Amino acid sequence: GESVGLHLPTLSVQEGDNSIINCAYSNSASDYFIWYKQESGKGPQFIIDIRSNMDKRQGQRVTVLLNKTVKHLSLQIAATQPGDSAVYFCAENSRSGTSYGKLTFGQGTILTVHP
Amino acid sequence: GAVVSQHPSWVICKSGTSVKIECRSLDFQATTMFWYRQFPKQSLMLMATSNEGSKATYEQGVEKDKFLINHASLTLSTLTVTSAHPEDSSFYICSARSGRAGWAKNIQYFGAGTRLSVL
Repeated sequence: GESVGLHLPTLSVQEGDNSIINCAYSNSASDYFIWYKQESGKGPQFIIDIRSNMDKRQGQRVTVLLNKTVKHLSLQIAATQPGDSAVYFCAENSRSGTSYGKLTFGQGTILTVHP
Repeated sequence: GAVVSQHPSWVICKSGTSVKIECRSLDFQATTMFWYRQFPKQSLMLMATSNEGSKATYEQGVEKDKFLINHASLTLSTLTVTSAHPEDSSFYICSARSGRAGWAKNIQYFGAGTRLSVL
């Protein structure tokens, strides 16, 4: 969920390494999850999504894993490149209550890739 | 596809003036758009849901008379910050659902954001 007033977690990797960014969610009614990438001064950019009836989905250089038992989501980036440096947010889509149909964003993780 | 344009990208205004931000879906129709606010090094906070042809739905704590939202067409939503003050300075971002079928309809595509600085 959201964390207001806290510093974002950071992850520093070397170019070519694999990166793993984690996200915990709290709403068991969430049925759809999205990872976004946000570069400085820009809006979030869609990376990959996953439905709650799946535990893994792969895209180009990215893989999302979903563990509903512990309400955990991860984004794996293979062969990380300097252009991958950004803030990464997970977002969950709720199907219940006042959050129905809305995305709730996690606090975000700053990924820095060193050449 | 699914391109969202937001304008202006940066605006500086004097305290007490009003500022209008536009959000357009360029290659799809969006019955629902969203407005977020983001402070430095923080996550996105949903302000309101903008519905075409009806009133916007505001999140708890967001003043609807302060942040006026109009969604007059399927491709345009506007956010007007009325009588802006320095505490309204922030990064405002809009998004739109793609309108695609199935699960993909839940994906929100974002504009580039508007940085508002109130002097």
